[in-house]
Amino acid sequence: AQSVTQLGSHVSVSEGALVLLRCNYSSSVPPYLFWYVQYPNQGLQLLLKYTSAATLVKGINGFEAEFKKSETSFHLTKPSAHMSDAAEYFCAVSEYNAGNMLTFGGGTRLMVKP
Amino acid sequence: DGGITQSPKYLFRKEGQNVTLSCEQNLNHDAMYWYRQDPGQGLRLIYYSQIVNDFQKGDIAEGYSVSREKKESFPLTVTSAQKNPTAFYLCASSRDRESYGYTFGSGTRLTVV
Repeated sequence: AQSVTQLGSHVSVSEGALVLLRCNYSSSVPPYLFWYVQYPNQGLQLLLKYTSAATLVKGINGFEAEFKKSETSFHLTKPSAHMSDAAEYFCAVSEYNAGNMLTFGGGTRLMVKP
Repeated sequence: DGGITQSPKYLFRKEGQNVTLSCEQNLNHDAMYWYRQDPGQGLRLIYYSQIVNDFQKGDIAEGYSVSREKKESFPLTVTSAQKNPTAFYLCASSRDRESYGYTFGSGTRLTVV
C-alpha cells in the first residue's frame, strides 16, 4: 500500500522567507501527486497537482512543487511567505491505474511570523 | 457554479442522539467520501462510495452509517454508538480518474454536549 510522509507537523517561517514543506511518497510506479491547503474551519482547496507532464508544477498563491522521481519527493515551495499563507497543508497521492482514491499525508501546519 | 455543499456548518447535539450531516454535489462526480478531522490527526476516512447504491467502510466506520440513493447526495449519520463524535467532518467528491483529485466541501463542525 502506498504511503505519504510529510516531514514536520509544524513549520514556522518569518514573513518574506522561503517556504519549504516536504512530502515523500512510496509508490512502485510514478503516481499522481497533489497539494491541498486548509484554512481554519474550512475545507481543503487544491493548490496544485502533478500528472506526469512537467516535473515543476506551478499552483495558486505563488506556490510550486517539483516532482523528483529519484527521491520519491514532491516538496512544496514558495519564495516569499506572506501572513495569509498560514494554514495547514496536505500532500496526497493516487496511483496510476489504481482507482481515484487519494492517500493523504498527516499534514503540516505552516505558521508565519511577522 | 458547480460545487459540493455541506450543511449545517455548525451542529450541536446532546449525547446519545443520532445526527445526520448533509453532503450534496452538483459536479456530476461518481465518487464521494467522508472524512473526520481531529486536531493533530490529519484526515481519517469514514466511508466512501464509488457508485450509487454502493458504499464501503473506511478506516474508522464504527459508529457511523451512510447511504447513497442519489448520485448527488451522500449523507452521514453519526450514531449514539460513536464514542467520541465531536470533530470536524469533511465531505469530498471525485471523478473516476486518478488524476483529478478530490473536491472538498467546507465542512461541518459537530459538537456533542
